[in-house]
Amino acid sequence: DTGVSQDPRHKITKRGQNVTFRCDPISEHNRLYWYRQTLGQGPEFLTYFQNEAQLEKSRLLSDRFSAERPKGSFSTLEIQRTEQGDSAMYLCASSPLGRGPYGYTFGSGTRLTVV
Amino acid sequence: GENVEQHPSTLSVQEGDSAVIKCTYSDSASNYFPWYKQELGKRPQLIIDIRSNVGEKKDQRIAVTLNKTAKHFSLHITETQPEDSAVYFCAAGDYGGATNKLIFGTGTLLAVQP
Repeated sequence: DTGVSQDPRHKITKRGQNVTFRCDPISEHNRLYWYRQTLGQGPEFLTYFQNEAQLEKSRLLSDRFSAERPKGSFSTLEIQRTEQGDSAMYLCASSPLGRGPYGYTFGSGTRLTVV
Repeated sequence: GENVEQHPSTLSVQEGDSAVIKCTYSDSASNYFPWYKQELGKRPQLIIDIRSNVGEKKDQRIAVTLNKTAKHFSLHITETQPEDSAVYFCAAGDYGGATNKLIFGTGTLLAVQP
């Protein structure tokens, strides 16, 4: 499969617990993005990596959120002390270097439900 | 701040009719405008995009127009088919600029009635 893979597809967690999601981008894509999508809304930008460097972060990314891409390949998004408002679909996307926001390929997302 | 407004939020058309979805952006630096189709429970998929150096782009039954002066861009789908039913998102970004994010609209639920 040459697409963007995300794991898990679904996650149900109790409020206050920590969760971690994984994204495997298309192998030749240097750029990786995390977005959050709530019901009835468009995706909202969270953060952007170029290789292993995190170059841009949204104000939406509070100090409970952290993202890494240690070797410039897969990325993880961790949410600490989850709140009900964190319930959403978390989407990962990747694009080739040199294309800016062009050529995004999205993964199928991880749906988080905080109970 | 950066904002993309999208209208209408829902659109119902008869099979074979045309559908038009409109978006307005606020950031003058935006020069790249993609459209995504998202079927229920699936990932957003790019269906067409336009850069600000052109005013119109067409791909079979789908076309996008851009009015940079008015900061408006629109998606036109002709001869709609039931499989066109989905949520459509517009987005705006700065191709080649310092930022690499896309700002998305709130989506339009298109229902094509057979």
